[in-house]
Amino acid sequence: QQQVKQSPQSLIVQKGGISIINCAYENTAFDYFPWYQQFPGKGPALLIAIRPDVSEKKEGRFTISFNKSAKQFSLHIMDSQPGDSATYFCAASMGLRAQGGSEKLVFGKGTKLTVNP
Amino acid sequence: ETGVTQSPTHLIKTRGQQVTLRCSSQSGHNTVSWYQQALGQGPQFIFQYYREEENGRGNFPPRFSGLQFPNYSSELNVNALELDDSALYLCASSPGGRVNTEAFFGQGTRLTVV
Repeated sequence: QQQVKQSPQSLIVQKGGISIINCAYENTAFDYFPWYQQFPGKGPALLIAIRPDVSEKKEGRFTISFNKSAKQFSLHIMDSQPGDSATYFCAASMGLRAQGGSEKLVFGKGTKLTVNP
Repeated sequence: ETGVTQSPTHLIKTRGQQVTLRCSSQSGHNTVSWYQQALGQGPQFIFQYYREEENGRGNFPPRFSGLQFPNYSSELNVNALELDDSALYLCASSPGGRVNTEAFFGQGTRLTVV
């Protein structure tokens, strides 16, 4: 119920290609779906996020597609660059207590993206 | 850089020992969450502190405990360390409230238990 399943585990693309990472969830209590990018030795950083009432969100070369009925969402990286080489995590968030605080994030296991020059 | 700072950056401890990790939240943020990231895995939620009180806890044993101070900085304490506790421990701060706000992560503390 709490899991977010992410695939593939690793991905190699050529510079200029499209990188696609897929995620699936079960718990309908999730209400926010962010993607995080993590470079070695660094903490995760928010890349782009979507709410379930939207089917697609685009920011620059990054696009999230969201299918609420299938409980699936994906990240597309257009014109992939060597600087995009990093580990990408999808996540889903749900609220904790009724008053105040913030949501907790449930992460996928990550996708290591390598973009060859 | 996010403005969330963690210390120390690396730490080596012996099984059975206790450890304290520290986190300074970003200015204006009153909520701190702690995550454990094992090698090759995604971060897992340990617990969250909001205005100095625990606001939710993940599936971690009681030997994982925390504190939040009046300035909203936080500590993660782990007692009776086990080899499986070896991981990157991440602190994330956020402004709190129920809306979907971004969590800003620190660079983490790499804990190795030998």
